Amino acid sequence: AQTVTQSQPEMSVQEAETVTLSCTYDTSESDYYLFWYKQPPSRQMILVIRQEAYKQQNATENRFSVNFQKAAKSFSLKISDSQLGDAAMYFCAYRSRGNNNDMRFGAGTRLTVKP
Amino acid sequence: ETGVTQTPRHLVMGMTNKKSLKCEQHLGHNAMYWYKQSAKKPLELMFVYNFKEQTENNSVPSRFSPECPNSSHLFLHLHTLQPEDSALYLCASSQGVGGRTDTQYFGPGTRLTVL
Repeated sequence: AQTVTQSQPEMSVQEAETVTLSCTYDTSESDYYLFWYKQPPSRQMILVIRQEAYKQQNATENRFSVNFQKAAKSFSLKISDSQLGDAAMYFCAYRSRGNNNDMRFGAGTRLTVKP
Repeated sequence: ETGVTQTPRHLVMGMTNKKSLKCEQHLGHNAMYWYKQSAKKPLELMFVYNFKEQTENNSVPSRFSPECPNSSHLFLHLHTLQPEDSALYLCASSQGVGGRTDTQYFGPGTRLTVL
């Protein structure tokens, strides 16, 4: 079974600085999808960014970008110009390509943004 | 954040009670999911429904009983729960299941406390 590991339970960053959240995963599949979700204190999970494994180009969404290293099975999230509103739990997730939609989530990283 | 709604947002129940959680999605999606989020544990997928048919049941105890009357509504019926069932229960929906565009969108969750 696929597993997702987030090795940083907590991270902090100064406002306007850059922070990178780590994620590694274990799979024997060649085609899959990776996601970063953000869960602010209000608890609603929001999709931040997604990456398709067959695409070599790293996904970017405004201040959010990923470093996808397929061979290393690594999928880190970089947040540039951090803002107070970025404070949240961040979850990395893996989904197989196929008929099911079984998402595997990491345990999460709590990000604190210091003013 | 109003694409997927959940009620109630908070629920306290005794072990002998029967209650139901409700989820509604306004996104025109065909698939809906129940997840359990416990403290310091990864999200656990409980059930998947696609076009009102249950396609996934991740060995969930029978004291949790899902119901999907149509593609927009999903219920989780609860009876004779245990204190360890206390958690945040998240509902999600996606356009389909397993395809490239089938990103899951989450509701705000129901915080359940079992006394």
